[in-house]
Amino acid sequence: GAVVSQHPSWVICKSGTSVKIECRSLDFQATTMFWYRQFPKQSLMLMATSNEGSKATYEQGVEKDKFLINHASLTLSTLTVTSAHPEDSSFYICSARATGAGANVLTFGAGSRLTVL
Amino acid sequence: QKEVEQDPGPLSVPEGAIVSLNCTYSNSAFQYFMWYRQYSRKGPELLMYTYSSGNKEDGRFTAQVDKSSKYISLFIRDSQPSDSATYLCAMSVRSNFGNEKLTFGTGTRLTIIP
Repeated sequence: GAVVSQHPSWVICKSGTSVKIECRSLDFQATTMFWYRQFPKQSLMLMATSNEGSKATYEQGVEKDKFLINHASLTLSTLTVTSAHPEDSSFYICSARATGAGANVLTFGAGSRLTVL
Repeated sequence: QKEVEQDPGPLSVPEGAIVSLNCTYSNSAFQYFMWYRQYSRKGPELLMYTYSSGNKEDGRFTAQVDKSSKYISLFIRDSQPSDSATYLCAMSVRSNFGNEKLTFGTGTRLTIIP
């Protein structure tokens, strides 16, 4: 089945540094990938839609300059949290569309837990 | 008011019991409904998706949609310890939900006690 790999699975960084998270579709091409953020005991919140070869579409309230998204190829999207602060600590999850069995479904990565000290 | 409401639990039931998980929603434009299962420190995986009102069964899982009441449910029969996870409902307006924004519930944390 479709697999989405996300790396790193967890990262700890100092306040003010930047962190890059990678999302790869391993056995299919993904024109569109999605980035979510999940706080403890809260739902997944869509941050942005990542489109291969074009600019990402950000949800209202998400800072574009804070969360840089690059979708350089059909199998890779990256999220860079710039000048991270403790309030950016969260679980970040990517997903990509996989087609199969007559239905379009989203396949999620395992998530990346970011802790900013 | 949130677009999708889901009791976060936690919910604990003995092994073998029937589990009922529920979500309500306020946006009548939602037409497509999904249930995801998320194990600790993992990404969500799709369990079931439905469109029309009524029931859809897949093995031990049954998804139920009542559009008139804006209420959806997931039933798990003969629950197993391996079913212990967080279950999230999700909804979308259009059918191409692979490219459509999904609105998620908060998730219900379920524990099946052996």
